Amino acid sequence: DVKVTQSSRYLVKRTGEKVFLECVQDMDHENMFWYRQDPGLGLRLIYFSYDVKMKEKGDIPEGYSVSREKKERFSLILESASTNQTSMYLCASSSPRTEYEQYFGPGTRLTVT
Amino acid sequence: RKEVEQDPGPFNVPEGATVAFNCTYSNSASQSFFWYRQDCRKEPKLLMSVYSSGNEDGRFTAQLNRASQYISLLIRDSKLSDSATYLCVVTNDYKLSFGAGTTVTVRA
Repeated sequence: DVKVTQSSRYLVKRTGEKVFLECVQDMDHENMFWYRQDPGLGLRLIYFSYDVKMKEKGDIPEGYSVSREKKERFSLILESASTNQTSMYLCASSSPRTEYEQYFGPGTRLTVT
Repeated sequence: RKEVEQDPGPFNVPEGATVAFNCTYSNSASQSFFWYRQDCRKEPKLLMSVYSSGNEDGRFTAQLNRASQYISLLIRDSKLSDSATYLCVVTNDYKLSFGAGTTVTVRA
């Protein structure tokens, strides 16, 4: 069974704080993704990575950065959290052979006050 | 204009009923199409692929109309366990674009 885990289910941070969201997958997948999910907007891609130390911007990268030092781990960083970054953050991974099937983690509900 | 648009619903149906809903996509070059399912407070999971010829998976039937750029999902003989939000997904090259979802609630 594919497992994608995220470091926290719920997180509350203050405006201006630096926030780290961690994601780990155990299926040796090359591809990893970070999305945010907001009501009425669906999942929006923030960043993705096809290999270690490689990263590509998604549709809404502003205010975020990522790090992929190991194949199984993909971190999302909010350099200076703002209230409009309050959201559900979902990490996903996939294999290049079945790129359309992404396996998601349980999500982190981030609230920035 | 959003890349993928869905009627948010909710569709409230009794057990045993048939429910169907569509999603439209804006990029005519989109290559592949899928339905994902997301249960309340859970992560999305792949439900099924959508092929031009249409395809069935048990009580679920998916259709693709490339000319009109829409995808449909039909659920027959609805079960309580079908209550979920159904996400329409289209791919362009490597990237998946998700709709905001259609919520279906099946009542006893």
